[in-house]
Amino acid sequence: DQQVKQNSPSLSVQEGRISILNCDYTNSMFDYFLWYKKYPAEGPTFLISISSIKDKNEDGRFTVFLNKSAKHLSLHIVPSQPGDSAVYFCAARAGQFYFGTGTSLTVIP
Amino acid sequence: DGGITQSPKYLFRKEGQNVTLSCEQNLNHDAMYWYRQDPGQGLRLIYYSQIVNDFQKGDIAEGYSVSREKKESFPLTVTSAQKNPTAFYLCASSIRWGAYNSPLHFGNGTRLTVT
Repeated sequence: DQQVKQNSPSLSVQEGRISILNCDYTNSMFDYFLWYKKYPAEGPTFLISISSIKDKNEDGRFTVFLNKSAKHLSLHIVPSQPGDSAVYFCAARAGQFYFGTGTSLTVIP
Repeated sequence: DGGITQSPKYLFRKEGQNVTLSCEQNLNHDAMYWYRQDPGQGLRLIYYSQIVNDFQKGDIAEGYSVSREKKESFPLTVTSAQKNPTAFYLCASSIRWGAYNSPLHFGNGTRLTVT
């Protein structure tokens, strides 16, 4: 049973525009949420995280939003750059970490 | 530079052979993890270790074994009992199990192909 879901397998965005990646979850016991970026044949790289007691966290071009009532997590990248093209995984923790299936982002120059 | 080293990057084995994947970290992290990634799927937890000399089964532990004799090392053995061993294997660590604001840090993975 997939507790963390990324329903969009892919997303294309023009350079300079906003990229919005979405993630839904089912387990209300998740206390910590994260986003990772991954290139083929490499390990995921940690991007940004948010505790369940907050609803927003920013780090440079990356902002994560948490809507606990909707059990929804999103990552905003502004402005998008071609180097942002990668697969993005959301993850959530309830003891162990649970991962979504990933969204492949393509930023078009 | 602190990090997680997985070796080798590519590994080929014949069906029926056991194979051990190496994972070493110099981050001084207590917790270590093994994940498996298959095409179109998220990362699935095989085993984890909260502290030295302790480890627990994850969601897909059948056909795998681990040891945690040293803080910095968490090798994974893929046994002949694992029905679909061909996959991309990722090792990760975190400061402590359940610690506040403690993300997973990943190695660069080992691609195992069993024929």
